[in-house]
Amino acid sequence: DMKVTQMPRYLIKRMGENVLLECGQDMSHETMYWYRQDPGLGLQLIYISYDVDSNSEGDIPKGYRVSRKKREHFSLILDSAKTNQTSVYFCASSSGQSGNTLYFGEGSRLIVV
Amino acid sequence: GEQVEQLPSSLIVQEGASVLINCSYTDSASVYFPWYKQEPGKRLQFIIDIRSNMERKQTQRLTLLFDKKTKHLSLHITATQPGDSAIYFCSGTNAYKVIFGKGTHLHVLP
Repeated sequence: DMKVTQMPRYLIKRMGENVLLECGQDMSHETMYWYRQDPGLGLQLIYISYDVDSNSEGDIPKGYRVSRKKREHFSLILDSAKTNQTSVYFCASSSGQSGNTLYFGEGSRLIVV
Repeated sequence: GEQVEQLPSSLIVQEGASVLINCSYTDSASVYFPWYKQEPGKRLQFIIDIRSNMERKQTQRLTLLFDKKTKHLSLHITATQPGDSAIYFCSGTNAYKVIFGKGTHLHVLP
């Protein structure tokens, strides 16, 4: 069963707190992504991971970091969350280079107050 | 940087109507163009794709046209149903980099 799973689905945090968003996939995909989705802005790429311990900044990496210690698992960390990081975060995976579609998780809705 | 412009940003149509969603991209190196549908509160799901060596692809009520010269894509949805109500995203990929349009909100009224 091809699946991308995100946890938690909903999260409320206070400004300055740390946030951990987790993503898992069962397809042995090499490449994984973290996006955030905001109204009117579409999907913005935060980080991309090509495989274990091989991560690269996307278009908006500031305020975020990632960890990929196992191929099937990709974490997004917010150290000291800010109110402008309130968003819906999507994880995705693909089997690699051009010509492959992305499989998305169901999203994690983060509210920072 | 590379961009994908998607228009219109929103559409409201009556059930049974046809709709057209357009995307223009700037990256000449993009070779693969998948489209995704996102129903309210749900994940994005792949619906149709086209490669740069093709001009047209059709599945059921979806037709995707690609003009490499003008760097333009068009998604045509016929006989729309309320279940087609969603946000539709075009995208272009070049190796690992995936660039999305900002999405088209489609509302199909019963």
